[in-house]
Amino acid sequence: QKEVEQNSGPLSVPEGAIASLNCTYSDRGSQSFFWYRQYSGKSPELIMFIYSNGDKEDGRFTAQLNKASQYVSLLIRDSQPSDSATYLCAVKRGIQGAQKLVFGQGTRLTINP
Amino acid sequence: DAGVTQSPTHLIKTRGQQVTLRCSPKSGHDTVSWYQQALGQGPQFIFQYYEEEERQRGNFPDRFSGHQFPNYSSELNVNALLLGDSALYLCASSLAGFTDTQYFGPGTRLTVL
Repeated sequence: QKEVEQNSGPLSVPEGAIASLNCTYSDRGSQSFFWYRQYSGKSPELIMFIYSNGDKEDGRFTAQLNKASQYVSLLIRDSQPSDSATYLCAVKRGIQGAQKLVFGQGTRLTINP
Repeated sequence: DAGVTQSPTHLIKTRGQQVTLRCSPKSGHDTVSWYQQALGQGPQFIFQYYEEEERQRGNFPDRFSGHQFPNYSSELNVNALLLGDSALYLCASSLAGFTDTQYFGPGTRLTVL
């Protein structure tokens, strides 16, 4: 079982709709969860992170965390063609002072005009 | 505010050769992490440097080594290159104690022939 799993897609969503991206993780002790966006040929850029169960909103983006189900999701409202990218879910592992990010394989999202 | 920089942008090597990749962290950051991203996969953690010491390492062979300089910049060295080492190599910087917020550089695309 992979530590962090994502559906590789591609996920196709019409412009203006809500895009829903999902991620599951295996280590129940994981504390911090991250969503990165990566455009083709570019490096990942941090969208947001979440620590606590529930929802966290930042503009058009909402991260949702359910630790009991070991599930993290990212909702993108009012999807725009510029949101077309690969979305990477990551989990922080390790002890304070020696931590790393463990990434899923990413979900490729396409927003259709 | 200078972001994370990496050099070179692209590199082509042949099997058995050695390569050195360089990274300068974002201004004010003192911790550097290196990741390898194969095509279609998420980034995989190689190692992390803080105070010129490697403080955590991923599941990579000893052919992968690194260094951090007093100005916090870092190098990644790979010896005896294999075809499977072809990937995007990403450097991420953060501030000790705030490793949640890792900012990625543009990456170095290494091709091994």
